[in-house]
Amino acid sequence: DIQMTQSPSAMSASVGDRVTITCRASQGISNYLAWFQQKPGKVPKRLIYASSSLQSGVPSRFSGSGSGTEFTLTISSLQPEDFATYYCLQHNSYPHTFGQGTKLEIK
Amino acid sequence: QVQLVQSGAEVKKPGASVKVSCKASGYTFTSYYMHWVRQAPGQGLEWMGIINPSGGSTSYAQKFQGRVTMTRDTSTSTVYMELSSLRSEDTAVYYCARPSISGWYGGSDYWGQGTLVTVSS
Repeated sequence: DIQMTQSPSAMSASVGDRVTITCRASQGISNYLAWFQQKPGKVPKRLIYASSSLQSGVPSRFSGSGSGTEFTLTISSLQPEDFATYYCLQHNSYPHTFGQGTKLEIK
Repeated sequence: QVQLVQSGAEVKKPGASVKVSCKASGYTFTSYYMHWVRQAPGQGLEWMGIINPSGGSTSYAQKFQGRVTMTRDTSTSTVYMELSSLRSEDTAVYYCARPSISGWYGGSDYWGQGTLVTVSS
């Protein structure tokens, strides 16, 4: 199985900050990586697909990059509604696997 | 519009089984794979497996092999996830999720509202 190691597991930041979250795959997954945002009590919402493509309706302050084994999600200028937990998901092969999540809290 | 409606919350005793349903509407049921994802309280997302509603083929995460069975009923556009030999660690919200025809690689995805399964003696 492909392991996804996400870092950091938690972080605090302020409105307006630039934030980067990283996911590393235990083996190459090309660009079969998606990023999700989840708020408490809500279903996950996909932000990014194919490593760097923005899901329709997602603000342009979100961006993704990477290929192979290392991927990043960047939020260019944090907004109050961005405080949530973020997950990466590899779907290169079965079983699909999520990273363990990054909880983004207000500083 | 696409909708995935899951069955209601369940309380089960250790060792029992639970069967969660996910009724789909608003699209051609047999054209899209369905995933199951779970989330224990305060924990992360965990991918459990996938079913092809067209032929019924499945793929499960190794962790659940032997305990999980995913099935579908094309006459009612419903997929099911049955988990057996329940233990307290299986207490979680279980979601069905339907990505696009190209999987998570584009398009839109849809999620059920989640079903809380509580395992307690």
